[in-house]
Amino acid sequence: SAVISQKPSRDICQRGTSLTIQCQVDSQVTMMFWYRQQPGQSLTLIATANQGSEATYESGFVIDKFPISRPNLTFSTLTVSNMSPEDSSIYLCSVPPSNMNTEAFFGQGTRLTVV
Amino acid sequence: EDQVTQSPEALRLQEGESSSLNCSYTVSGLRGLFWYRQDPGKGPEFLFTLYSAGEEKEKERLKATLTKKESFLHITAPKPEDSATYLCAVEGSSNTGKLIFGQGTTLQVKP
Repeated sequence: SAVISQKPSRDICQRGTSLTIQCQVDSQVTMMFWYRQQPGQSLTLIATANQGSEATYESGFVIDKFPISRPNLTFSTLTVSNMSPEDSSIYLCSVPPSNMNTEAFFGQGTRLTVV
Repeated sequence: EDQVTQSPEALRLQEGESSSLNCSYTVSGLRGLFWYRQDPGKGPEFLFTLYSAGEEKEKERLKATLTKKESFLHITAPKPEDSATYLCAVEGSSNTGKLIFGQGTTLQVKP
């Protein structure tokens, strides 16, 4: 299993500013994902955080808006840049299913409100 | 394109009133179908993984089943503490590790 610590758990930010969310896993994992959950919606994949290379973004998400770092196999950050109220969401990091684990593990999420 | 549709969007039950949640999916090469529970303000909590048609898994008052096109989450004699949003997700062979989620079913169980 994997235990994921994510912080901050919540934040209220001014529009135009940026917020960096941190995700720490208690074991080395090859893949880490970042999801967004807009109010009343389900989870949408933002990107795959790749160790040692640039993140791979899903359609509709770009690096300038959501830069991601993955300095090692246990840690990743997601930055939400130049925020607007539309960025108000829950952001979650995740470790996918693998040969070792039959489930995807999620952090507790970061509830972001942009005012 | 992989797709997941859950129904109903919302469900209200009386305590003890059994029911089922539906998850219809389209995926190229199912690697796994996942059920999660999500409480407000928290991350998804894992319930079940199903891999092939005909498979069933149970946990307390919950039972998940899988066919080639859909999955059901049966809730037997629910209690108020079962109130939550239930999410269904699939992992396809063309998107290894990536989960495609449905919109979720928000369940409210009244005492």
